[in-house]
Amino acid sequence: KQEVTQIPAALSVPEGENLVLNCSFTDSAIYNLQWFRQDPGKGLTSLLLIQSSQREQTSGRLNASLDKSSGRSTLYIAASQPGDSATYLCACVGSQGNLIFGKGTKLSVKP
Amino acid sequence: EAGVAQSPRYKIIEKRQSVAFWCNPISGHATLYWYQQILGQGPKLLIQFQNNGVVDDSQLPKDRFSAERLKGVDSTLKIQPAKLEDSAVYLCASSFGRAGYGYTFGSGTRLTVV
Repeated sequence: KQEVTQIPAALSVPEGENLVLNCSFTDSAIYNLQWFRQDPGKGLTSLLLIQSSQREQTSGRLNASLDKSSGRSTLYIAASQPGDSATYLCACVGSQGNLIFGKGTKLSVKP
Repeated sequence: EAGVAQSPRYKIIEKRQSVAFWCNPISGHATLYWYQQILGQGPKLLIQFQNNGVVDDSQLPKDRFSAERLKGVDSTLKIQPAKLEDSAVYLCASSFGRAGYGYTFGSGTRLTVV
C-alpha cells in the first residue's frame, strides 16, 4: 500500500528565501507524481506533474524533481513571496489516475 | 473554461441525518473522482468513475456512503446516516483521462456533523 510522507509539516520563512519541500513515497511503481497547492477554503490547484520517466519539471519559480529509485520528490520554490503562502500537497498518481496524497506542508512567507 | 462545480459549499447536519453533495465536472472530462479531506490530512479517494462506470470504490464506506454518475456527466455523493467522523471537506475532481492529466478540483463542500 502506497504511503506518502511530507516533511516538514509546517514552514515559516522570510520573503525572498529559496526553500525546499520534501515528499517521500514507499512504492516506486508510480505512474506520475503531482504537486498541488491548496489555499484555505479552496480546492486544489495543480502546480507541476512529473511523469515517471522524467527527472524534473519547472514552471516559473517552481522546480520539482523526482527520484523514483529512492522514493523521493522535492519542490523547490525560488525567491519566495507572501503570495506563496498556502499548503503544498504531494500526490503519487496510480495507473488508474487516482491520487494518493501526503498530509501536506503548510508554508507561511512573511513580508 | 468553466471549472468543476460543487454544491453546496457548506452543510451542517446532525448525526444520523442524511446529506447529498453534487458535482458537475469540466465538459469532456471522462473521469470523475470524489475525495474526502479530514482537517489536517491530505485528501483520500472515495470513488472514481470512468464515464458512468465505477473504476475504484475500495475506500468508500458502502454501508453509509453511495455515489452515482448518471449519463456520465454530473455526480452525486450521499451519506446516510451521517456520523460525527464524517465531518470533512468533500472534494470533487475530474480529468480527461485515467492517467491523472488535466486534474481539476472543485472548491469542495465542507460538511460538519454535530
